[in-house]
Amino acid sequence: QTVVTQEPSFSVSPGGTVTLTCGLSSGSVSTSYYPSWYQQTPGQAPRTLIYNTKSRSSGVPDRFSGSILGNKAALIITGAQADDECDYYCVLYMGSGIWVFGGGTKLTVL
Amino acid sequence: EVQVLESGGGLVQPGGSLRLSCAASGFTFSSYAMTWVRQAPGKGLEWLSTISGSGGSTYYADSVKGRFTISRDNSKNTLYLQMSSLRDEDTAVYYCAKHLSGWYWFDYWGQGTLVTVSS
Repeated sequence: QTVVTQEPSFSVSPGGTVTLTCGLSSGSVSTSYYPSWYQQTPGQAPRTLIYNTKSRSSGVPDRFSGSILGNKAALIITGAQADDECDYYCVLYMGSGIWVFGGGTKLTVL
Repeated sequence: EVQVLESGGGLVQPGGSLRLSCAASGFTFSSYAMTWVRQAPGKGLEWLSTISGSGGSTYYADSVKGRFTISRDNSKNTLYLQMSSLRDEDTAVYYCAKHLSGWYWFDYWGQGTLVTVSS
């Protein structure tokens, strides 16, 4: 059973930069996993931030960017703002019509 | 404007059945794959099932395979999730999501519908 790993929590100072990662319990994440990233505030539906590793969804500010760093997918947030404080999820396509979400990262801005 | 709106959630006893619906508007429904994702209370997102635009291909997570059935009626612009043999651990908010053009990513999400499995 493949597990998609994310940091359970992360802190960033206002105005700072944070890199959240999305890895695999076994193996490396590449663009072939078509990684995407979603933002969720409590009680709200997820919002698509990044798809296809690094493409920003419509309306997403360019403070959010995606890439592959080493053997993981990464979501980089620059100039962190108070309303960036929420949960972030990655999802990887495993092939054969199967997707797996990471456990999510709770980001604190303080 | 693209919209997807879930309905059909509620309280159901263990072992019972429920059908969720997701009404879509603002796009050519039959051209896009659709997916169901759920979120148990205080937990993360879990992919459940995906259906192709034509409805001819369906895929399921192991956790729901054999118990849940995804389907769509393209004439009604509606996605469904038929859930049976429900368990306590199926209690969650269920979201439908439209895929981007291309198979691999979700873009628009509904607000979710709460399913509570309890006696």
